[in-house]
Amino acid sequence: AQSVAQPEDQVNVAEGNPLTVKCTYSVSGNPYLFWYVQYPNRGLQFLLKYITGDNLVKGSYGFEAEFNKSQTSFHLKKPSALVSDSALYFCAVRDSLNYGGATNKLIFGTGTLLAVQP
Amino acid sequence: KAGVTQTPRYLIKTRGQQVTLSCSPISGHRSVSWYQQTPGQGLQFLFEYFSETQRNKGNFPGRFSGRQFSNSRSEMNVSTLELGDSALYLCASSLEDGGSYNEQFFGPGTRLTVL
Repeated sequence: AQSVAQPEDQVNVAEGNPLTVKCTYSVSGNPYLFWYVQYPNRGLQFLLKYITGDNLVKGSYGFEAEFNKSQTSFHLKKPSALVSDSALYFCAVRDSLNYGGATNKLIFGTGTLLAVQP
Repeated sequence: KAGVTQTPRYLIKTRGQQVTLSCSPISGHRSVSWYQQTPGQGLQFLFEYFSETQRNKGNFPGRFSGRQFSNSRSEMNVSTLELGDSALYLCASSLEDGGSYNEQFFGPGTRLTVL
């Protein structure tokens, strides 16, 4: 079965320190991977994606993610955390087991709450 | 460009009623997907529409249905509401231009409370 795992429910980091939010995946075929962020009472905002190419993907707001095929991981990183980065982060993978056609269906992880302390 | 819009933003219904939620995608986007978000189950895929056709469907009962109009706007309907249907319903749209896979853009959601 296809799945995404975010092993940490919460990550705490001090402002100015680097942050990492972990994600591992299990899919058939080549993975299309995404990171989204959700602020309270808001929808999901797209941060970055990996489709193919360089393993280090740069995204919005200074975030980047490293794709590691051998470890089936796609960890989100930022060199210097801001208090305003505090939010719920979701890793997702496109469903590759559609019923014979294209699909945009995403399979999401359970989310990781990032708390950045001043 | 305007983002994905969803109406209404908040709804309160009672068990047994039905509800219709609306989603207007980003201009030019023809793919619309719906997700349900709850604290217990997380984000779960409901269904996806492309050019007025349902292209994929999640594991939800038949009480959940949807449709897409020729202008790509989409509606979802939930009949015979149950307490467990209380959730944030998110709509997402995506540009499909025949090129590489494009990300989905999400609306702010409709918060449905069933009493």
